[in-house]
Amino acid sequence: EAEVAQSPRYKITEKSQAVAFWCDPISGHATLYWYRQILGQGPELLVQFQDESVVDDSQLPKDRFSAERLKGVDSTLKIQPAELGDSAMYLCASSLERGSYRGYTFGSGTRLTVV
Amino acid sequence: AQSVTQLGSHVSVSEGALVLLRCNYSSSVPPYLFWYVQYPNQGLQLLLKYTTGATLVKGINGFEAEFKKSETSFHLTKPSAHMSDAAEYFCAVSGIYQAGTALIFGKGTTLSVSS
Repeated sequence: EAEVAQSPRYKITEKSQAVAFWCDPISGHATLYWYRQILGQGPELLVQFQDESVVDDSQLPKDRFSAERLKGVDSTLKIQPAELGDSAMYLCASSLERGSYRGYTFGSGTRLTVV
Repeated sequence: AQSVTQLGSHVSVSEGALVLLRCNYSSSVPPYLFWYVQYPNQGLQLLLKYTTGATLVKGINGFEAEFKKSETSFHLTKPSAHMSDAAEYFCAVSGIYQAGTALIFGKGTTLSVSS
């Protein structure tokens, strides 16, 4: 079964440092999503890509977060500088197309701890 | 605007008992509705989804849910709980006509199963 790959699985970083997460969606999936999940809460969308273009980044804290999907395949989410409140699970998901009727496939996530 | 409310942040059942996890949604357009399950430090796995057609949908692991438009509900049930069902469950909604609209999740319900 095809999977969404994410790395690293776990990351501990000091506040004010830069950190990056990587996601490789299922082959052929045009739409890619980054979600942030704070412990005990549901995932919240940070950014959505359609191919290499950003469709929705309205909830992305742009002063410190950036995301790119240069060739419309894999994607990187960066935080600089990291803050204590950024500690969370960062989930990547992909879907075949825009619109969600098929549901999304999620990766295993990156657990970020900022100390 | 769309939103999801999951009633009860924590549900405890005995093994073999009925599982009922409640989800109510708000949507200005016909919704797509989903249930996902999340095990500790893992990504989200799709349990089932409602898009169109039959309002009673069956998913994996013996779970099912019924879309009730008049009640704006999409409750998740399983006739007999297993220990392996202990996990976090998330209800999610997206707009059927809103291409590119990402999933909006509820806050989640933790299911505990005791022997």
